[in-house]
Amino acid sequence: ILNVEQSPQSLHVQEGDSTNFTCSFPSSNFYALHWYRWETAKSPEALFVMTLNGDEKKKGRISATLNTKEGYSYLYIKGSQPEDSATYLCALREGGKLIFGQGTELSVKP
Amino acid sequence: NAGVTQTPKFRVLKTGQSMTLLCAQDMNHEYMYWYRQDPGMGLRLIHYSVGEGTTAKGEVPDGYNVSRLKKQNFLLGLESAAPSQTSVYFCASTTPGVSTEAFFGQGTRLTVV
Repeated sequence: ILNVEQSPQSLHVQEGDSTNFTCSFPSSNFYALHWYRWETAKSPEALFVMTLNGDEKKKGRISATLNTKEGYSYLYIKGSQPEDSATYLCALREGGKLIFGQGTELSVKP
Repeated sequence: NAGVTQTPKFRVLKTGQSMTLLCAQDMNHEYMYWYRQDPGMGLRLIHYSVGEGTTAKGEVPDGYNVSRLKKQNFLLGLESAAPSQTSVYFCASTTPGVSTEAFFGQGTRLTVV
């Protein structure tokens, strides 16, 4: 069973703060690492799919990096806004499997 | 664009009853997944399929069965529902392509009393 770990489990920040989360995964047999944003009462939506060691992806104020050799990925949010409040999930793709971490719940207070 | 559609959206079952959840996708995706979501546990993989006629166990397969008779449909069955199966169930699909994201259905909230 693949072990995908996310930290922290939850995070409370003030509007304007920058923040980051970590996703750790087994570095052997790496295929792809996904990041999803999941708002309450909605379905998860993809932010990034990362495949190469050293990959850096950016979408607006959100960016992510990938280190496949040491088995981790960071998600950064610059200048958090209340609308960034959501659960952020990472998932490891190994062949046909897609295994998720337990998520980081972000709350941004105005 | 329908994308991934789950049926039903809500259901209440009595312990011991059976039911089938249907996931249908119109994106011609080869891979399909069933997850359950419980508080503080993210999404846990129940079963998955990499193509029509094939299925495989995920992280938490016990108490569930699946079938993929048609490429566009992935069915999740509960033969004898238990209160521990109270959860929100999500279906997802994707392609074998390494850079392809997964697309999710809207979820099915199941309560077993």
